[in-house]
Amino acid sequence: AQKVTQAQTEISVVEKEDVTLDCVYETRDTTYYLFWYKQPPSGELVFLIRRNSFDEQNEISGRYSWNFQKSTSSFNFTITASQVVDSAVYFCALSEATSGAGSYQLTFGKGTKLSVIP
Amino acid sequence: GAVVSQHPSRVICKSGTSVKIECRSLDFQATTMFWYRQFPKQSLMLMATSNEGSKATYEQGVEKDKFLINHASLTLSTLTVTSAHPEDSSFYICSARDRNLGRSDTQYFGPGTRLTVL
Repeated sequence: AQKVTQAQTEISVVEKEDVTLDCVYETRDTTYYLFWYKQPPSGELVFLIRRNSFDEQNEISGRYSWNFQKSTSSFNFTITASQVVDSAVYFCALSEATSGAGSYQLTFGKGTKLSVIP
Repeated sequence: GAVVSQHPSRVICKSGTSVKIECRSLDFQATTMFWYRQFPKQSLMLMATSNEGSKATYEQGVEKDKFLINHASLTLSTLTVTSAHPEDSSFYICSARDRNLGRSDTQYFGPGTRLTVL
């Protein structure tokens, strides 16, 4: 069975600091997908990134970067020069391609609440 | 692209009444739609998975007679909370999986519906 662990429940940083959100996953499948979603106070989940298990290349998108390491089953998310608008709950999620008769069900971590203080 | 809408965004109803929540994929056709429930400060809990034209698959512990799901088209799924009670008060979120093969492994989320049962 799959599992996603986000050990950091809450993090507070001062604006312009860098912050890394940790995500560790467990799966028996060789084909799977990893995701990060942002949930601001409004409640809507915003898709940030998808990474498949065959692509370990790190990715950078503006101030956001992701470090995928299969050797440690981790998919960490770093925000550089954080801003107040980054304050939200961030969820890491795992989808096995073979789960739910191919329906790609998501297993979510418990989320990390990030507060960026001005 | 990949926009999902939900209606209504908020609803307050009396105990014993039924409430219908609509989930629409606006700019893509959804192979599969998912319904989640989220309690305050908690992660998302998958309630059911629905494929267009077939019966929904409910997760263990979710009453299918209480949470009726209809997925009549590739762009619309509805969740009806029947005979709602205060304990059904929660944040309900839908997501849709794009039929397009290039994005079919990603779920895109609606903005959520906050249900309050008095």
